[in-house]
Amino acid sequence: DIQLTQSPSSLSASVGDRLTITCRASQDIRSFLAWFQQKPGKAPKSLIYGASTLQSGVPSKFSGGGSKTEFTLTISNLQPEDFATYYCHQYHSYPYTFGQGTKVDIK
Amino acid sequence: QVQLVESGGGMVQPGKSLRLSCVGSGFSFSDYPMHWVRQVPGKGLEWVAVLAYDGRNRYAADPLKGRFTFSRDNSKNTLFLDIHTLEVEDTAIYFCARGRVVVGVPARYYIDHWGQGTLVTVSS
Repeated sequence: DIQLTQSPSSLSASVGDRLTITCRASQDIRSFLAWFQQKPGKAPKSLIYGASTLQSGVPSKFSGGGSKTEFTLTISNLQPEDFATYYCHQYHSYPYTFGQGTKVDIK
Repeated sequence: QVQLVESGGGMVQPGKSLRLSCVGSGFSFSDYPMHWVRQVPGKGLEWVAVLAYDGRNRYAADPLKGRFTFSRDNSKNTLFLDIHTLEVEDTAIYFCARGRVVVGVPARYYIDHWGQGTLVTVSS
């Protein structure tokens, strides 16, 4: 199985900050990587697929990058509604897998 | 707009079976692959399975293949997950999610929309 390791596992940030979350894959997954946002008690929301393509309706403050084994999710101008847990997800090989999540909270 | 509504969760005793359903609306259900993802409350996401648009191609996480059965009825816009011989470790929120195809060999399926989830609690 492909392991996805996110770093950091948690971080504290302030409104207006720019932050980057990293997702490392245990083998080459080309660009078959997605990012999701999940708030407490809610379903996940799809943000990015294909490593860097925004889902419809997702603001451009979210951006994704990387390929093969190293990927990033960057959020600029952090706002209160952005404080959540973020997951990466590979759909290159079965079984599809998720990273362990990165919790972003308010400093 | 796209809506996915899961149902069928609840409290069940170990060893029993359960059928979860997911009804899709606001899109042509039969044209889309569908995923199941589960989440132990307070923990991370775990991918369970994906079914291609016609249900004939389906892929699931190996540890779940023996007790989990996946199907869909496109005439009713409904996705099903049957869990047999429930274990305490199956306690989780079960989400269905709509997939999109990346054409290729093999085809890949990424998620674009999620249901709100249904909670299954396995306890004696």
